[in-house]
Amino acid sequence: GENVEQHPSTLSVQEGDSAVIKCTYSDSASNYFPWYKQELGKGPQLIIDIRSNVGEKKDQRIAVTLNKTAKHFSLHITETQPEDSAVYFCAAHNSNTGNQFYFGTGTSLTVIP
Amino acid sequence: SAVISQKPSRDICQRGTSLTIQCQVDSQVTMMFWYRQQPGQSLTLIATANQGSEATYESGFVIDKFPISRPNLTFSTLTVSNMSPEDSSIYLCSVDLLGLAGQETQYFGPGTRLLVL
Repeated sequence: GENVEQHPSTLSVQEGDSAVIKCTYSDSASNYFPWYKQELGKGPQLIIDIRSNVGEKKDQRIAVTLNKTAKHFSLHITETQPEDSAVYFCAAHNSNTGNQFYFGTGTSLTVIP
Repeated sequence: SAVISQKPSRDICQRGTSLTIQCQVDSQVTMMFWYRQQPGQSLTLIATANQGSEATYESGFVIDKFPISRPNLTFSTLTVSNMSPEDSSIYLCSVDLLGLAGQETQYFGPGTRLLVL
């Protein structure tokens, strides 16, 4: 089955700096990669996603890049703000073979004011 | 997206008892999913619940421990049976809906935080 690894497990940045979270996956057939933000006491919320036919996607201060050859994808947050502090999860999915989503182990991001 | 609610939001239970968690969605969905998130850990799929059929359980999870009901297209329950402290976790329900990239993805409820003493 699919194996998703996520790094780093914790990340602290100064407000205004950029944050990058990286994930690798093992199954080259995975073709969809969502990212979730989980704030304390809440469920994970979808913040951005990318399909395998796209190399990069941006939405305001967040962007995701995908390298299919190397089987890794990254979340980039620019101009970080204290409200970006949360746990972020990446996931991989093969839409052709079923409903299983494989999640990374999470990155706890702290933005220091 | 959809509005997904769960009840209870949190509970403290004694070992040996059972707790039923409810999940309500504001639109009809074919599949609902139940996940477990142990403290500081990632999300682990427990089972997939389809309306009108038995739930499909992932490896390591069994129906006797986690019975699931799916009486209609907007509602599901997960029961955590004969609880032990190892069952202390966040339990999340989710549904498949179109994501931002036009691909079906998982949308999660707020979770039920369970502590077993």
